[in-house]
Amino acid sequence: LAKTTQPISMDSYEGQEVNITCSHNNIATNDYITWYQQFPSQGPRFIIQGYKTKVTNEVASLFIPADRKSSTLSLPRVSLSDTAVYYCLALGVDYKLSFGAGTTVTVRA
Amino acid sequence: DAGVTQSPTHLIKTRGQHVTLRCSPISGHKSVSWYQQVLGQGPQFIFQYYEKEERGRGNFPDRFSARQFPNYSSELNVNALLLGDSALYLCASSFFQGPSNTGELFFGEGSRLTVL
Repeated sequence: LAKTTQPISMDSYEGQEVNITCSHNNIATNDYITWYQQFPSQGPRFIIQGYKTKVTNEVASLFIPADRKSSTLSLPRVSLSDTAVYYCLALGVDYKLSFGAGTTVTVRA
Repeated sequence: DAGVTQSPTHLIKTRGQHVTLRCSPISGHKSVSWYQQVLGQGPQFIFQYYEKEERGRGNFPDRFSARQFPNYSSELNVNALLLGDSALYLCASSFFQGPSNTGELFFGEGSRLTVL
């Protein structure tokens, strides 16, 4: 299985940028890295996906360095509703999907 | 369009019993995967199916099994339940055949299993 490591928690204030880094070892060389958001009692929800360099969509940016040993999710100008658990997901060299343990982001007013 | 639907939403079983969880994917999706999420932890991959064939399996004992039907719905079966099987079981559907992390996984709300 891929080994994915994320910070357990991060605190922020409304309007700030939040950056969450996930370290991933033993991931497949030809597959994507994906980030999901999860609220209590709900299934995870897709945020963004990338392979290398930087990807941006309407809610987040994702930066993956050339060695693909980590990825950083950037949430610009967070609001209270962004309080959630964020997971990175990668495919291991054994072709098994592996979620990180998740980062609890708490946004305060 | 309906999202991924799972049933039952909650259930309570006792040790040694068997449980069957069901999942209906989004219309048009041929891939279904199952995950176990213990409270406070990330989802753990159990199985992935595409076109009724198993395409991936996580590190779970043989007590866990699954299948996919011609209409692409899926069942997860767990035999000889243990206390440690208490968790939220999530089903996700996607277009992609896997094993792959390509594309978006669409998750259901999960089935919360409590084993007493």
